[in-house]
Amino acid sequence: ELKVEQNPLFLSMQEGKNYTIYCNYSTTSDRLYWYRQDPGKSLESLFVLLSNGAVKQEGRLMASLDTKARLSTLHITAAVHDLSATYFCAVDAPNNNAGNMLTFGGGTRLMVKP
Amino acid sequence: DGGITQSPKYLFRKEGQNVTLSCEQNLNHDAMYWYRQDPGQGLRLIYYSQIVNDFQKGDIAEGYSVSREKKESFPLTVTSAQKNPTAFYLCASSIDGFTYEQYFGPGTRLTVT
Repeated sequence: ELKVEQNPLFLSMQEGKNYTIYCNYSTTSDRLYWYRQDPGKSLESLFVLLSNGAVKQEGRLMASLDTKARLSTLHITAAVHDLSATYFCAVDAPNNNAGNMLTFGGGTRLMVKP
Repeated sequence: DGGITQSPKYLFRKEGQNVTLSCEQNLNHDAMYWYRQDPGQGLRLIYYSQIVNDFQKGDIAEGYSVSREKKESFPLTVTSAQKNPTAFYLCASSIDGFTYEQYFGPGTRLTVT
């Protein structure tokens, strides 16, 4: 059974600071997704990482994937209040040709303080 | 505009009643999914469908049922057998069931009392 663990679960940080969220997973996969969720809202796709060594950047967020270590990171640079949200990673696990099944981490709730 | 719609946004039911949540997409996606999210938790897969007239159980299918009679529609019924149905339900779709990212609808918040 695939397990996906994120840490930290909760992160409070000051504006302007840098920090990294980690996503570890337990089985072989080379497809990983990062989503953002605002309170009471749906999930918004942030990054799609499809191979070992993949790195994607959008604004103050940068995501990377190391499939050998089974680790993805989401790095926040010079945080601003608008980045406050919950961030989820999701790992794509092949399921005996039954299709694309995502297993989600528990989420990291980020709060950026002025 | 292309997208995924879920209705209603909020739904209230009495215990013991079945309730059906709607999910429609006009993205021409083959695959559709239903997830459940409890407060402060990640998403868990209830059912998914890769093609019309076919669907598979996810990790927590007990107490739920689905149908896929049309490509655009994937309704979820929460039956009275579901012991703790109060949750946020999210529908998603992807181009196919194997290689593409999933796009999510706005969700339905179900409260059962």
